[in-house]
This record gives sequence, structure tokens and C-alpha cells, in this order.
Amino acid sequence: QKEVEQDPGPLSVPEGAIVSLNCTYSNSAFQYFMWYRQYSRKGPELLMYTYSSGNKEDGRFTAQVDKSSKYISLFIRDSQPSDSATYLCAMSLTGTASKLTFGTGTRLQVTL
Amino acid sequence: DGGITQSPKYLFRKEGQNVTLSCEQNLNHDAMYWYRQDPGQGLRLIYYSQIVNDFQKGDIAEGYSVSREKKESFPLTVTSAQKNPTAFYLCASSLGAGDEKLFFGSGTQLSVL
Repeated sequence: QKEVEQDPGPLSVPEGAIVSLNCTYSNSAFQYFMWYRQYSRKGPELLMYTYSSGNKEDGRFTAQVDKSSKYISLFIRDSQPSDSATYLCAMSLTGTASKLTFGTGTRLQVTL
Repeated sequence: DGGITQSPKYLFRKEGQNVTLSCEQNLNHDAMYWYRQDPGQGLRLIYYSQIVNDFQKGDIAEGYSVSREKKESFPLTVTSAQKNPTAFYLCASSLGAGDEKLFFGSGTQLSVL
């Protein structure tokens, strides 16, 4: 079993839909949680960062952490074609980049 | 523009050949990292450097080597000992060793001829 599980997709939604992207993990000690967006053949860019449990909102994006279920989510409201990308979750115990564990990524396609 | 520049964008390696991937940053970040990305797998850490003239092995360092002679540069050499080098290679940096927020370059696709 992988330490971080993420459905690879592809997930196809119409423009304007609410998107839910998820990761599950097995290590209950993880404290730092991140979401990266990666366009095709580009480097990932940090979208959201949360520490411990709870929600964090930034514009159309909401990150949610449920440590009791070992489950994190990224919600995208009013999805746009420009949101079409692969979304990677990442997490660590210590908050140190060298200790990050990445998910495999979920490919999202937002159609017109 | 501040950022991380990786070159070349595409690279081909012949059997038995060493190849070097370039990574330069002008963010004034102390820490730099090399990751490998394969289809269906998460990013895997090859090497990282927290300070000039110092670097540590990551999870999959075998068949790779690095140097950190300047703060802004962290080249990766894929040696002939790496038997499965075909992958997308990503260089990243962070403000310091204890900073978890990574900034990535645009990647180099390495393929074997």
C-alpha cells in the first residue's frame, strides 16, 4: 500500500462545475499538507498549504484536511478550462521539503 | 523575473553515456532539490542540497550525482549506472532547509536512444 493514495483520473467536468479532488494517506503523523497544480510538461506550482486539520480558502480553491479520517480534499468552485491540469497532493511530518511525500496526481479536464 | 531555469527541455542519452541536466535559480534560495517524475508515480527525491558545497542523497540517488559549487546552481548528472533513466526530471528550490514550500523549474525530459 502506498503511503499516499490519489485517484489518477482523468476527471472530466463541465465548465462551472464544483470539483472535488482527494488524497488518502496512511501515516497519521503527517501534519503539513499541500496541493500543487501541474500543467502538462511543466513544473508543479504550489496552490494551497495547510497545517494540521481544518479548512483553508483562497479564491475559488478550498483545501480541507480531516486527520481523523486521514483524508485531504481540494475543492475548486466555478471550474474553468484553465483549471485543466494534474493536481498533486503532498504531505510531511516535519514541514521540511526534503521529507515531502507526493501523491501520483489526478488529471482534471474542464470542458466548455 | 525570479525563477528556476532548467535546461535542456529535452535530452537524449545513448547507452553508456553520462548526461548532465542544468538547474539555475535566481530566487536567492538556500536549498535546492532534484526530483524524478514517472507516469503513475509520485515525485521521488533524488538529491537535495541545503547549502553550498553540501548535498544529501534522497530516496533514489543510485546512478545519479550532483554538485553545489554556487548557491544558484545545482546540476544533476545521470550516469551510465542508472539503468532506467527515462523520466521527467524536476529541479526545485526552497527558501531554506526547513521551508516546505517548493518552487519548481519547467523540467527536463530525458529519453534513452
